[in-house]
Amino acid sequence: ILNVEQSPQSLHVQEGDSTNFTCSFPSSNFYALHWYRWETAKSPEALFVMTLNGDEKKKGRISATLNTKEGYSYLYIKGSQPEDSATYLCAPWGYGGSQGNLIFGKGTKLSVKP
Amino acid sequence: EAQVTQNPRYLITVTGKKLTVTCSQNMNHEYMSWYRQDPGLGLRQIYYSMNVEVTDKGDVPEGYKVSRKEKRNFPLILESPSPNQTSLYFCASSPGRALYNEQFFGPGTRLTVL
Repeated sequence: ILNVEQSPQSLHVQEGDSTNFTCSFPSSNFYALHWYRWETAKSPEALFVMTLNGDEKKKGRISATLNTKEGYSYLYIKGSQPEDSATYLCAPWGYGGSQGNLIFGKGTKLSVKP
Repeated sequence: EAQVTQNPRYLITVTGKKLTVTCSQNMNHEYMSWYRQDPGLGLRQIYYSMNVEVTDKGDVPEGYKVSRKEKRNFPLILESPSPNQTSLYFCASSPGRALYNEQFFGPGTRLTVL
């Protein structure tokens, strides 16, 4: 089974800090990369789906970049706020045993202190 | 309101008693999927469906069945539940038959098997 690595596992920052975390995946057979935000006691919500090498996407203070040749994606949060506290999941698509298989990393848990 | 619904939201049952968790979406999505979330293991895909009457195994299909007789519904069936199926279950749907689009998650079903 594909190994999707997310680092760090957890992160504690102060309000106003900018932060970033990494999703690593094999660089072969890549079709797309999903990023989701998952708040405690809620359901995962989509942030981005990225497909092209060099892709950059932005939603408010959150942005992501994609490098399919070396197999990684960065998620950036500018000026973290307490409401950004959540677990951020990545899921590359294209490696599973079958066409619709999506494999999630274990996530980076972000805590933002006021 | 566009949404994915799951029922029941909470269920406590006993080993061996067949149960069904329903999932329904009102967005006319082709792709639907079931995941389970366990501490330390992240979100793992159980089964998915890329269209009506088309289903396929994810990473952890053992002990589960699914069916996709109509586009909006994708029930998860546990024929003989066991304690190791105690978990938080999420259903998700996505437009299109592939994963180039974001998934929309249901609210989750917390299952306890005694």
